[in-house]
Amino acid sequence: NAGVTQTPKFRILKIGQSMTLQCTQDMNHNYMYWYRQDPGMGLKLIYYSVGAGITDKGEVPNGYNVSRSTTEDFPLRLELAAPSQTSVYFCASSYSIPAETQYFGPGTRLLVL
Amino acid sequence: KQEVTQIPAALSVPEGENLVLNCSFTDSAIYNLQWFRQDPGKGLTSLLLIQSSQREQTSGRLNASLDKSSGRSTLYIAASQPGDSATYLCAVRPNTGNQFYFGTGTSLTVIP
Repeated sequence: NAGVTQTPKFRILKIGQSMTLQCTQDMNHNYMYWYRQDPGMGLKLIYYSVGAGITDKGEVPNGYNVSRSTTEDFPLRLELAAPSQTSVYFCASSYSIPAETQYFGPGTRLLVL
Repeated sequence: KQEVTQIPAALSVPEGENLVLNCSFTDSAIYNLQWFRQDPGKGLTSLLLIQSSQREQTSGRLNASLDKSSGRSTLYIAASQPGDSATYLCAVRPNTGNQFYFGTGTSLTVIP
């Protein structure tokens, strides 16, 4: 069991570029989440999904898009990268909500210059 | 909107000491509260999950308590070890919606 995996680990983007952050889980979890963590701040929810084909916005969705075509994968798309999107991005999954614990990936560190 | 606060932001203790980390939240209408550990450059690892109907949860040297009415939770670490050095975050899940609200964390250093 690899758990939740994320790629890449680190990326530098220029302003206006786009990229996709990959997230895969092998625990057959229905629920998946994307968070961002800014220095000295708590995690903030960007998007989440309750199953394949179903996604919804979290607290800070602007500038991001997601899709969920399979149970395992939940990619996060950044369009027109901005310096404000410099952050560490975490993907997480859980079997169900609200009672179940979340399992987190190791994170992707993104720097937009 | 739920606000979650963790004080202090940083804490240093000598090895062997018992310690308490604090988490407070503004809206008592929560479904559950979770404590996580985060090591530098790593993801979060769940430590304890307390449902709103529970008062405390224990795992090894860790004990988490929940007082919904006062909007507080504490994480008690007994006989601290250098390996406990990490950032500890709490997160609350409101009764409605699918949002988790995280605190900013307490950075713990246990000095050998």
